[in-house]
Amino acid sequence: GAVVSQHPSRVICKSGTSVKIECRSLDFQATTMFWYRQFPKQSLMLMATSNEGSKATYEQGVEKDKFLINHASLTLSTLTVTSAHPEDSSFYICSARDGTVLNQPQHFGDGTRLSIL
Amino acid sequence: AQSVTQPDIHITVSEGASLELRCNYSYGATPYLFWYVQSPGQGLQLLLKYFSGDTLVQGIKGFEAEFKRSQSSFNLRKPSVHWSDAAEYFCAVFPTDSWGKLQFGAGTQVVVTP
Repeated sequence: GAVVSQHPSRVICKSGTSVKIECRSLDFQATTMFWYRQFPKQSLMLMATSNEGSKATYEQGVEKDKFLINHASLTLSTLTVTSAHPEDSSFYICSARDGTVLNQPQHFGDGTRLSIL
Repeated sequence: AQSVTQPDIHITVSEGASLELRCNYSYGATPYLFWYVQSPGQGLQLLLKYFSGDTLVQGIKGFEAEFKRSQSSFNLRKPSVHWSDAAEYFCAVFPTDSWGKLQFGAGTQVVVTP
């Protein structure tokens, strides 16, 4: 149980393109989903917290107009990297928490490797 | 300041040998504690978690962790490692005094030699 599916797993595109990444909870409802960015050999950096039916909460230093988050249902959150540039190249990982109980662990997707040429 | 520390950036262990990964935290109240494993190019998989109760926690893949309140530690152990255990391991804490965000340690890279 508690499977999180993230697509696509890898994206290579030209600079200026907008890229959408999907995060789905397959067997549970996720009121809250999280988007992380991970640089090589580093830990995860929280970008934003996505709440179903409301605006995402962005961490300090993360451009909300650059990284658009939509949490349209209890099983789907999307991250759109708008007008992507080479510096946006990174490994993006989503996670979801089962229900509204805060002590439930987060379950992670397999990540999306984004490469901007 | 609140923090979670994994003192070892890199550990090399022989296949069949025991493994212990250290994790220390600094929070006002005992947080919820987790260990995750990340294989190259993959997301994170939950190995085990501690909320309360028995301080020795059993997880998947033969891993266990022991919570020691006096040392503010939550070390991960495995009696006999397999080559497939080579990965990055992250300790994570969820502070309960402020219901803040999940905080990750810097990670420990485990290399398994034949």
